[in-house]
Amino acid sequence: TQLLEQSPQFLSIQEGENLTVYCNSSSVFSSLQWYRQEPGEGPVLLVTVVTGGEVKKLKRLTFQFGDARKDSSLHITAAQPGDTGLYLCAGYMTTDSWGKLQFGAGTQVVVTP
Amino acid sequence: EAGVAQSPRYKIIEKRQSVAFWCNPISGHATLYWYQQILGQGPKLLIQFQNNGVVDDSQLPKDRFSAERLKGVDSTLKIQPAKLEDSAVYLCASSLEARGNTIYFGEGSWLTVV
Repeated sequence: TQLLEQSPQFLSIQEGENLTVYCNSSSVFSSLQWYRQEPGEGPVLLVTVVTGGEVKKLKRLTFQFGDARKDSSLHITAAQPGDTGLYLCAGYMTTDSWGKLQFGAGTQVVVTP
Repeated sequence: EAGVAQSPRYKIIEKRQSVAFWCNPISGHATLYWYQQILGQGPKLLIQFQNNGVVDDSQLPKDRFSAERLKGVDSTLKIQPAKLEDSAVYLCASSLEARGNTIYFGEGSWLTVV
């Protein structure tokens, strides 16, 4: 059972459309991270959110951390084929002192031209 | 700056055989991680080292998996004997310290057990 539940599992959209992926948990996290993983490569960190209610923007990507620090969302505006990849959320639980990063199962995003 | 290096990239073995994966973290990074990523799932932490000491190996199947980080730099992950369900990508990662620092992943070692 994944501590972090991501939805949807798979998303296929046309270039120029918007999309949102979600990351939910019943546990509280001290911080949440979003990664993108491309085929044959390791995950690459996109952003870290720390404060409940925090919103961060990275060009066309908007990340939000829930007020209760149990959930997060990633919104992509005007998606491009280069946004294709596996989007993973990961978090540090408040009860974990050694920094064990917990990952969700990921959302596979495919953007077609 | 050189990234996290892993080898081999690909390995196919028969069940009950053994295999070893090697990782060289980013220079100066005290924390080293081994993750297992099964197709369609997110990475699962197998073991975390702080320098050459183990700080978390709660999800490492110790009857068949072992890992060491001699001298607090390179690390080796071994599987013996391998099972079909061990087919996965084994990701090595490193960070400056354990918590709150960016974790950098290697490209992974792809294992297929037949």
